[in-house]
Amino acid sequence: AQSVTQLDSQVPVFEEAPVELRCNYSSSVSVYLFWYVQYPNQGLQLLLKYLSGSTLVKGINGFEAEFNKSQTSFHLRKPSVHISDTAEYFCAVSDRANAGKSTFGDGTTLTVKP
Amino acid sequence: DAGITQSPRHKVTETGTPVTLRCHQTENHRYMYWYRQDPGHGLRLIHYSYGVKDTDKGEVSDGYSVSRSKTEDFLLTLESATSSQTSVYFCAIRLLSGQGAGELFFGEGSRLTVL
Repeated sequence: AQSVTQLDSQVPVFEEAPVELRCNYSSSVSVYLFWYVQYPNQGLQLLLKYLSGSTLVKGINGFEAEFNKSQTSFHLRKPSVHISDTAEYFCAVSDRANAGKSTFGDGTTLTVKP
Repeated sequence: DAGITQSPRHKVTETGTPVTLRCHQTENHRYMYWYRQDPGHGLRLIHYSYGVKDTDKGEVSDGYSVSRSKTEDFLLTLESATSSQTSVYFCAIRLLSGQGAGELFFGEGSRLTVL
């Protein structure tokens, strides 16, 4: 079994400030890790993913995340946010076997204020 | 673009009526999934398929059934809709190769309201 905990349900920040969205996971097997973003009334789209290799992964729109195996975390960061980053963000883990089923966190709503 | 189309995009129905949501893909992806999204719960897996006529249950499968008679179509059926099934339903496919390996590609969602 696997689970994902997103530690903040809402994160308000001012434009051009840095932001970190926190994600912890638990799993008994090796996993892939993902961050997805959902803009209002749209489906989810991939921001970035960790499959293997370097623990620091870079994604679209200036986001990056660091995989920390010892702390079972995969926090998402951006050094300077824009109004257009306002959206809901989901952390997900995927079993490397077992049809690759993904388990999602409950989501973090990022609101960027001018 | 993985080419996923969900239909209908919006539906309002009454308690006790059957409902079928359709997910259509254009690129012969093997794995397809149905998730539901509810406020405060993220996305929860209902059912998934790993090939034609090969399906399995997810974490919230009660009250739902699925069918996959062709690679391109994955149908989600609510045999007798209840108000607790009011939700936004997302279909997804898994990319297995290339730069997208491992990630899910989602449809635009189907918003279902059960009165």
